[in-house]
Amino acid sequence: DIQMTQSPSSVSASVGDRVTITCRASQDISSWLAWYQQKPGKPPKVLIYAASTLQSGVPSRFSGSGSGTDFTLTISSLQPEDFATYYCQQANSFPFTFGPGTKVDVE
Amino acid sequence: QVQLQESGPGLVKPSETLSLTCTVSGDSISSDYWSWIRQPPGKRLEWIGYIYNSGSTNYNPSLKSRVIISVDTSKNQFSLNLSSVTAADTAIYYCARGPTRSGLDYWGQGTLVTVSS
Repeated sequence: DIQMTQSPSSVSASVGDRVTITCRASQDISSWLAWYQQKPGKPPKVLIYAASTLQSGVPSRFSGSGSGTDFTLTISSLQPEDFATYYCQQANSFPFTFGPGTKVDVE
Repeated sequence: QVQLQESGPGLVKPSETLSLTCTVSGDSISSDYWSWIRQPPGKRLEWIGYIYNSGSTNYNPSLKSRVIISVDTSKNQFSLNLSSVTAADTAIYYCARGPTRSGLDYWGQGTLVTVSS
């Protein structure tokens, strides 16, 4: 299985901050990576797929980059509704696997 | 608008079979891919498997010996059966549409299944 890691595991931030989350795959996954946002008691919501393509309806303050083994999710200006946990997921080979998550909370 | 809803028992005894159903509206179960994912308390999401073409399946090798995913096209539903459960199978179970080009794009709300005697 392809192992996914994320850093940091948590980040404390304020509204308006720029937040960057990193995801690393244990082997080359090209651009087969998605990012999800999950709020407590809710299912995950896809934000970005194919490493950098914004899902329809997702605010443009979210962006993704990277290819191969290293990827980044950036929130350019954190909004109150963005406090949540973020997961990366590789879609290169089954079983598709998720990262451990990065919790973004209030500083 | 595509909607998914999980249903099934919230409590299952050890060694028994966990059975869940996902009812889909707004899309045909005969098209697209349909998945089961689970999230144990405090742990990362785990992809259990998916079904497509009204019966073809792909299972996570770590669960393959215990998992069956099936579809009922007449009811626009797909189901999960996980046999010989243990406490390690306690988790929130989600059904979702996908994998698609844009990932898992629609999810059910999830259902907590606890394995306990």
